Amino acid sequence: AQSVTQLDSQVPVFEEAPVELRCNYSSSVSVYLFWYVQYPNQGLQLLLKYLSGSTLVKGINGFEAEFNKSQTSFHLRKPSVHISDTAEYFCAVSDHQAGTALIFGKGTTLSVSS
Amino acid sequence: GAVVSQHPSWVICKSGTSVKIECRSLDFQATTMFWYRQFPKQSLMLMATSNEGSKATYEQGVEKDKFLINHASLTLSTLTVTSAHPEDSSFYICSARARTGGPGELFFGEGSRLTVL
Repeated sequence: AQSVTQLDSQVPVFEEAPVELRCNYSSSVSVYLFWYVQYPNQGLQLLLKYLSGSTLVKGINGFEAEFNKSQTSFHLRKPSVHISDTAEYFCAVSDHQAGTALIFGKGTTLSVSS
Repeated sequence: GAVVSQHPSWVICKSGTSVKIECRSLDFQATTMFWYRQFPKQSLMLMATSNEGSKATYEQGVEKDKFLINHASLTLSTLTVTSAHPEDSSFYICSARARTGGPGELFFGEGSRLTVL
């Protein structure tokens, strides 16, 4: 079974500052890794995903994440945040079997202020 | 991109009534659909996995008789909360995997917020 730990429940930052949202996973098999964003009262939007290949993955809205197998991490980064990035961010993992659901971390609330 | 639609988006019902939530894949065939539950300020907890034409597989701790899941076609899955009580109030989100989907490719609905009075 897989599990995901998001180390920070809340991350407050000022506009235009860089941000890193941390995610660690646990699994005995190879995994796929994902980051999703959720705005209030809305569903999930995929930011980026790691399936294979390059460990640095670029996503939408200027976000990127780096897969580190030795540290079992998949931290999300953005060099300069905007007010509009304020939302809940979820890291998720799945194994490689077809039909497997995503397992989510508890989420990190990113609050960007001016 | 692929679209998954949930209906209704919001529903308020009286305690003891049953509520049905629909999840439709609008432009693709979904061989597998997943139902999640999200409490306020918390993560998504997987409730069940449903494959078209077969019975749903429920996660441990989820009452099968209370949360009825039907996946009757390749584009529709329904979640029925039977005899709803205030503790069933939550945000329910479905996701779907396409028949021709790539690895880890899931599409999420917008969610349905249930409030039981």
